[in-house]
Formats: sequence, structure tokens, C-alpha cells
Amino acid sequence: AQKITQTQPGMFVQEKEAVTLDCTYDTSDQSYGLFWYKQPSSGEMIFLIYQGSYDEQNATEGRYSLNFQKARKSANLVISASQLGDSAMYFCAMREWFDITGTASKLTFGTGTRLQVTL
Amino acid sequence: DTEVTQTPKHLVMGMTNKKSLKCEQHMGHRAMYWYKQKAKKPPELMFVYSYEKLSINESVPSRFSPECPNSSLLNLHLHALQPEDSALYLCASSQRLLELNQPQHFGDGTRLSIL
Repeated sequence: AQKITQTQPGMFVQEKEAVTLDCTYDTSDQSYGLFWYKQPSSGEMIFLIYQGSYDEQNATEGRYSLNFQKARKSANLVISASQLGDSAMYFCAMREWFDITGTASKLTFGTGTRLQVTL
Repeated sequence: DTEVTQTPKHLVMGMTNKKSLKCEQHMGHRAMYWYKQKAKKPPELMFVYSYEKLSINESVPSRFSPECPNSSLLNLHLHALQPEDSALYLCASSQRLLELNQPQHFGDGTRLSIL
């Protein structure tokens, strides 16, 4: 089974509108971290926002917020007031223990959603 | 500008060449990572170093050889690569390997083409 599922290969949004990018995850661990990254066409991976499995409040960072629904195992990214510069690939990722020994952690990425912001 | 610096930005090499990719960070991070990313795919983990020791090797072929000479530097030595190894190679670092709440910070990557 996929650890991280992003069901939207591509999304369009008009400038100044809000957009939600979906992410569901699969884990049996109690402790894990959820991250969103942005990757412009130039290639660099830019960290946007983090949500911990024990965090009760949804994370927010400027125009980015994370809609965390633990029971549904979803961690959707909401971008408010979209800008042309938001056009990029967006990856949801989960950090969890690499194996049962708990001596290392690993970040696993979803397949990504390509967001295009239009005028 | 990213705080993780990767050189070179682009590399073209033949299948018989030997080359190295370099990654440097000065954030005091003690965990460093190599990822391989093919076009339109997510990054795939290759190697993880923690306190300069190799912690994870995701069954990477031996033609890729990682090295961590000190806490700020991570190298990836390449030898006898195949055309399917053409990809974007990303380096990342994080504070500690055992902290699930710490983000990984990525470099801009090296675009590698194998002729």
C-alpha cells in the first residue's frame, strides 16, 4: 500500500483564490511527522509546513495552513490568496521510524500535485 | 538561496567516467541525506548519514559510493554509471536523525546526465 497518497496529479487555481491540495497517509505508528514541500521547475525542494502526529492544533505558516484530520489520516495543504509564484509541484511527505528498532527515521514522499496559478 | 549547497549544478559524464557530487551545510545539522529524483517522480531515498556514520543504504547499486568526511560535508562518488542513472540528485540535511518533527532542508540538486 502507498504510504502517502496524493490523488490530484494537477490543479488549477486563479490568482488570489484559495486552493486545497489533498494528502492521505498510511501508518500504524503513533509518532510521525507530516511535511509539505514545494518544488519549482528549477528543482529545489522548499519546506513549507509541518504537522506532528500529537499536535492538536492545525499548523499555519503565513499563507499556508494544514488541515489535519488524524482519524481520517489526511493532511491537506491549504494555500490562501494564491500567487503566480505558487505555481510548482507540491509534495506531501511523512517522517516515521525506519524500522522497529527506532534507531533511524525516514521521509517518504507522495507522488505530488502540480499546481498552476492562472491570471 | 538554500543553506545546503550542492556542486556541480549540472554534470554530464560517460559511462566509464568517475566523478563526485558534493554537498555542504553549515547549519550544525548531524543528519545528511542523498536522494535520487527522476523526472515527474518524487525523490527516492538513497543514503542517510547520522553523525558521519552511514545509517541507511536503500539497496543502492555499488556504482554509487557515499562518503561523509565531516559533519558539514557529504559526497557521492560515481563510477561506471548507466544511462538510467540520469536524474536530479538532491542532498538534504536535518538537525538529528531521530527527531521526527525536524524538517529536512534540501539543496538545489545536481542534474546528472549519463551519455
